[in-house]
Amino acid sequence: AQSVTQLGSHVSVSEGALVLLRCNYSSSVPPYLFWYVQYPNQGLQLLLKYTSAATLVKGINGFEAEFKKSETSFHLTKPSAHMSDAAEYFCAVIAGGYNKLIFGAGTRLAVHP
Amino acid sequence: DGGITQSPKYLFRKEGQNVTLSCEQNLNHDAMYWYRQDPGQGLRLIYYSQIVNDFQKGDIAEGYSVSREKKESFPLTVTSAQKNPTAFYLCASSDPTGFETQYFGPGTRLLVL
Repeated sequence: AQSVTQLGSHVSVSEGALVLLRCNYSSSVPPYLFWYVQYPNQGLQLLLKYTSAATLVKGINGFEAEFKKSETSFHLTKPSAHMSDAAEYFCAVIAGGYNKLIFGAGTRLAVHP
Repeated sequence: DGGITQSPKYLFRKEGQNVTLSCEQNLNHDAMYWYRQDPGQGLRLIYYSQIVNDFQKGDIAEGYSVSREKKESFPLTVTSAQKNPTAFYLCASSDPTGFETQYFGPGTRLLVL
């Protein structure tokens, strides 16, 4: 069965520092992977997705993620954090033929001056 | 602009009362979903519908009901059988062709009086 583990429920970085949010997946079939961002009291917005094309995926707001099959990972990175990046980030994997998404528990990113 | 709308933004339920959350989309998507979000638990699938007049239970369907009479609408009823309804509820839609991005509405926060 597919599953997602996000390491670290809270991550804190300084403005301008590297952002690294970790996601590991478990899947019995080639996975489709997603990163979503959620600002307080709002819905989820797609950052990027991996669909078996290029292993390095670029998304919106300067984020990117690299699919590493050998490590079953899909970590999210951004070279330089901005205050506006403070939000909760969810990694998700497609499971099943009906497009079911399995979500990780989320990582809350704090950015301090 | 195409998108998903949810109403109301906040909803209060009295004990023993059924309440209905609205979800409307104008993206012309066939598939729609309802998720429940609790702190620290990510999102869990309540119900999904791949086509009008058809819907399936997700992982936590007990105490909830849905209907899908129109392509653009997928209302969720939280019944009195749901003993712990306090949560943030998110509606999403996608093309049902498999592995497609799900787009989310802004959410409804349900609170119990």
